[in-house]
Amino acid sequence: NAGVTQTPKFQVLKTGQSMTLQCAQDMNHEYMSWYRQDPGMGLRLIHYSVGAGITDQGEVPNGYNVSRSTTEDFPLRLLSAAPSQTSVYFCASSSSTGPYGYTFGSGTRLTVV
Amino acid sequence: QQQVKQSPQSLIVQKGGISIINCAYENTAFDYFPWYQQFPGKGPALLIAIRPDVSEKKEGRFTISFNKSAKQFSLHIMDSQPGDSATYFCAASIDNTDKLIFGTGTRLQVFP
Repeated sequence: NAGVTQTPKFQVLKTGQSMTLQCAQDMNHEYMSWYRQDPGMGLRLIHYSVGAGITDQGEVPNGYNVSRSTTEDFPLRLLSAAPSQTSVYFCASSSSTGPYGYTFGSGTRLTVV
Repeated sequence: QQQVKQSPQSLIVQKGGISIINCAYENTAFDYFPWYQQFPGKGPALLIAIRPDVSEKKEGRFTISFNKSAKQFSLHIMDSQPGDSATYFCAASIDNTDKLIFGTGTRLQVFP
């Protein structure tokens, strides 16, 4: 049981480039979320999804796009990378029927130069 | 507007001591309050969680105390060990799987 898998683990982008952070879970969880973690700011919610085809914005959605075509996958797209998007990104998933609590991936460390 | 405020930012405790981390929330619709533990280079992991219908929940050395009227909750780590050294995050959501809003984190260091 792999849980939540994020790829890549590390990435360096140039300003203006686009990329997709991949997230996959094999627990058949309905709920999935993307967070970014910055020093002193905790984890801030970017986008989340309550099921395939349903997504919504979190606290800091600007510059990011998501889609959820399957239960397993929830990719995060950076449309035009900016230095302010340098961060560690975490994907997480949770079941609506229990056991409760989000399971997090190991993160993607992104640097935009 | 920060919906979940966490303090202190960092905490140093001697082995065997009690570590206490506090959180306060503003949205009275929150009804699920988990704590997460994060080690360097890893993703956060669920440690313990509480709902507002109880004032305390204990799991091993970890206890959540909840004060609904004050809109505050805290994590107590009894008999703190060097292996507890990590960053701890409180969080809140309107139900157990809705948008989870995190505090800013507390870096705990336990010295032998």
